[in-house]
Amino acid sequence: QKEVEQDPGPLSVPEGAIVSLNCTYSNSAFQYFMWYRQYSRKGPELLMYTYSSGNKEDGRFTAQVDKSSKYISLFIRDSQPSDSATYLCATNLLSGGYNKLIFGAGTRLAVHP
Amino acid sequence: DGGITQSPKYLFRKEGQNVTLSCEQNLNHDAMYWYRQDPGQGLRLIYYSQIVNDFQKGDIAEGYSVSREKKESFPLTVTSAQKNPTAFYLCASSIGTGLAGRRNIQYFGAGTRLSVL
Repeated sequence: QKEVEQDPGPLSVPEGAIVSLNCTYSNSAFQYFMWYRQYSRKGPELLMYTYSSGNKEDGRFTAQVDKSSKYISLFIRDSQPSDSATYLCATNLLSGGYNKLIFGAGTRLAVHP
Repeated sequence: DGGITQSPKYLFRKEGQNVTLSCEQNLNHDAMYWYRQDPGQGLRLIYYSQIVNDFQKGDIAEGYSVSREKKESFPLTVTSAQKNPTAFYLCASSIGTGLAGRRNIQYFGAGTRLSVL
């Protein structure tokens, strides 16, 4: 079993839709949770960073963490064609004095006009 | 304009050849990382460096080598021992590592796409 599981998609939605992207993880020791957005042939850019269970909102984006279920979600409201990208969830594990980032495989999102 | 610069954007390797990917950062970050990204897979850690003149193997270090002679530079060499080098290579940096909180957030460069001729 992978440490972080993410549905690869692709997910295709019409402009204006609410998008839900999800990841599950296996290790309860994971502390921090991140969502990165990666446009085609570009490096990932950090979208959201959360620590505790609950919701964190930033504009049209909301990150949700449920540590009891080991489930993290990213919601995108009023989706735009410019949101078309691959979304990577990531978490970290402190091991040997080093914070290792563990990534999901990414979900490809296409928002069509 | 602070950031991470990777070069070249595209690189072609002939069989038996070593090639070096460049990564430079002007964020004054102590920690730097190299990842490999293959289609349908998450990022896999090749090497990381927590401080100048020190680096550690990641999960898939075989066939790769690195150096960290300067804080701002962390070049990756793909050696001829790496039999399947075709991939997208990403360099990242963070303020630190092994610490709690936002100091561990990793910021990425634009990547280098390596192909085999």
